[in-house]
Amino acid sequence: EPEVTQTPSHQVTQMGQEVILRCVPISNHLYFYWYRQILGQKVEFLVSFYNNEISEKSEIFDDQFSVERPDGSNFTLKIRSTKLEDSAMYFCASSEEQGAGEKLFFGSGTQLSVL
Amino acid sequence: AQTVTQSQPEMSVQEAETVTLSCTYDTSESDYYLFWYKQPPSRQMILVIRQEAYKQQNATENRFSVNFQKAAKSFSLKISDSQLGDAAMYFCAYRGTNTGNQFYFGTGTSLTVIP
Repeated sequence: EPEVTQTPSHQVTQMGQEVILRCVPISNHLYFYWYRQILGQKVEFLVSFYNNEISEKSEIFDDQFSVERPDGSNFTLKIRSTKLEDSAMYFCASSEEQGAGEKLFFGSGTQLSVL
Repeated sequence: AQTVTQSQPEMSVQEAETVTLSCTYDTSESDYYLFWYKQPPSRQMILVIRQEAYKQQNATENRFSVNFQKAAKSFSLKISDSQLGDAAMYFCAYRGTNTGNQFYFGTGTSLTVIP
């Protein structure tokens, strides 16, 4: 079965450094998402992306965050200057269509630790 | 704003027995979807079951079924004949038809299956 792939599985960085989290969505999917989960808290929506532009973003997704689909397969999340509170599990997801009932397929996540 | 509450941080069940995981939500929308996602130790979020609010019939997927009570805004997951492979974190999630692309997740319930 097709999977969403995320790399790396763990990322450790120093506060103030830039990080790029990478995702390869399922190949025929058109809608892409980033979610994050701070330890012990809810999974939170960050951003959705379609047709090479952001379609929706949350309050968490401030100017320090950006997303890009640099080629036909990768979908990246960049955090420009990491803060301690950015430490979380980051999940990439994709779906074939858009709609409230559409199934989201999630990757295994990248655990980001900011020191 | 939509909120999803899972009041059971941890649950345990004997192998082959039945367990019910609770979820409540708050919304002003009349049409929406509810989901249960499973997150095993591999960390990948896997869709277990999906329910549309307009459908009165409770969704079932093999050993997994839901008890959807729209008036009470309750959406519990029943796992029958529990297996060791069911051990995971289970997340309840909401997605509205008028609230954009994002899912709203609960904080999760960690299920242990006792052999």
